[in-house]
Amino acid sequence: EPEVTQTPSHQVTQMGQEVILRCVPISNHLYFYWYRQILGQKVEFLVSFYNNEISEKSEIFDDQFSVERPDGSNFTLKIRSTKLEDSAMYFCASSEALRLTNEKLFFGSGTQLSVL
Amino acid sequence: AQKVTQAQTEISVVEKEDVTLDCVYETRDTTYYLFWYKQPPSGELVFLIRRNSFDEQNEISGRYSWNFQKSTSSFNFTITASQVVDSAVYFCALSESMNNRLAFGKGNQVVVIP
Repeated sequence: EPEVTQTPSHQVTQMGQEVILRCVPISNHLYFYWYRQILGQKVEFLVSFYNNEISEKSEIFDDQFSVERPDGSNFTLKIRSTKLEDSAMYFCASSEALRLTNEKLFFGSGTQLSVL
Repeated sequence: AQKVTQAQTEISVVEKEDVTLDCVYETRDTTYYLFWYKQPPSGELVFLIRRNSFDEQNEISGRYSWNFQKSTSSFNFTITASQVVDSAVYFCALSESMNNRLAFGKGNQVVVIP
């Protein structure tokens, strides 16, 4: 079965540094997402992306976050000036459909971000 | 706003026992979609099942079954004859028709003891 690939699996950074988390969605999928899971807490929606623009974002996704599809395969999440509270597992996901009505999200294995 | 509650945190069962996970949701939308995802120790989120709000028929798929009760806003999930490989965190999630995001519950840690 095709899968969503995320790199790196673990990322350690110093507070205030910029990080870029990378994802390769499933090739024929059109919708891309980022979710995060702070240790011991719920998985939370960050942003969805379609046709090279953000289609929806949560309150968490503030100006320190940005997403990009720099080429035909990669989908990135950039966090500028990381904070301690950004430490979490970040999941990338993709789906074929416009809405979650008839589709499921395919999730990657996640990138564990640790901000020191 | 959409909200999902999974009250139980950790559930331990002996192999071959059945385990039922409770999920209660809140939404103002009349059309919505409910999901169960599994997160094994390796960390990825694996899709298990999806139900539409307009289809209350309960189904069985292998060792998995679910009980969707719209009247009580519940979407419970049962693993029959549990196996050690079922040990994972199970998340219930909700998506409303007007948005494209999943709202997850806190998850149930299932431990199957051999």
